[in-house]
Amino acid sequence: GAGVSQSPRYKVAKRGQDVALRCDPISGHVSLFWYQQALGQGPEFLTYFQNEAQLDKSGLPSDRFFAERPEGSVSTLKIQRTQQEDSAVYLCASSPSAGVPNTEAFFGQGTRLTVV
Amino acid sequence: AQKITQTQPGMFVQEKEAVTLDCTYDTSDPSYGLFWYKQPSSGEMIFLIYQGSYDQQNATEGRYSLNFQKARKSANLVISASQLGDSAMYFCAMREEGDDMRFGAGTRLTVKP
Repeated sequence: GAGVSQSPRYKVAKRGQDVALRCDPISGHVSLFWYQQALGQGPEFLTYFQNEAQLDKSGLPSDRFFAERPEGSVSTLKIQRTQQEDSAVYLCASSPSAGVPNTEAFFGQGTRLTVV
Repeated sequence: AQKITQTQPGMFVQEKEAVTLDCTYDTSDPSYGLFWYKQPSSGEMIFLIYQGSYDQQNATEGRYSLNFQKARKSANLVISASQLGDSAMYFCAMREEGDDMRFGAGTRLTVKP
């Protein structure tokens, strides 16, 4: 597709359940970002990949959160033993550049996770 | 540490008037990029405008312009001739050399008819 695609768009999980969120970046984009956005807040950085290398995971809130991009394209954000505070929209973005600051990030529509 | 600060949680503007949304940033890198995104109620993040740290002139894109004051570390967004469709959340973001993109808390803009 032409844009960043995220699936599912909506996910309801029971507390304690594991979830996996998928991101298909724009083809050929080197950089990939994950953000968590709570209602009425700005996107909070979670993690950053250049190709398959996870260069920064300082934003992952706990060891229940895990992200991977094994072949440098599709990425998966996994949340284990979900808790209510994990409820948020999870945004994925990609950028064609490898660490060059002059290119914008293109965002997917996000996955809205609700933990009940 | 918070690198992007947006001090206006909400702003109102009359239709057809101009409005300025504030953004200050903190970095010690000489090379960085500043971005503004719009997020309407539908939730999509729409890129509006970019300013590079080495750019000599303020960026402009249609009705959007960026008032870049490097010494003050500010990158305010100016929207001219506001339209009802401009009502949305606006986020300022910064990307440093070799690094990820960080966002501010956002400003909710409401355009009044």
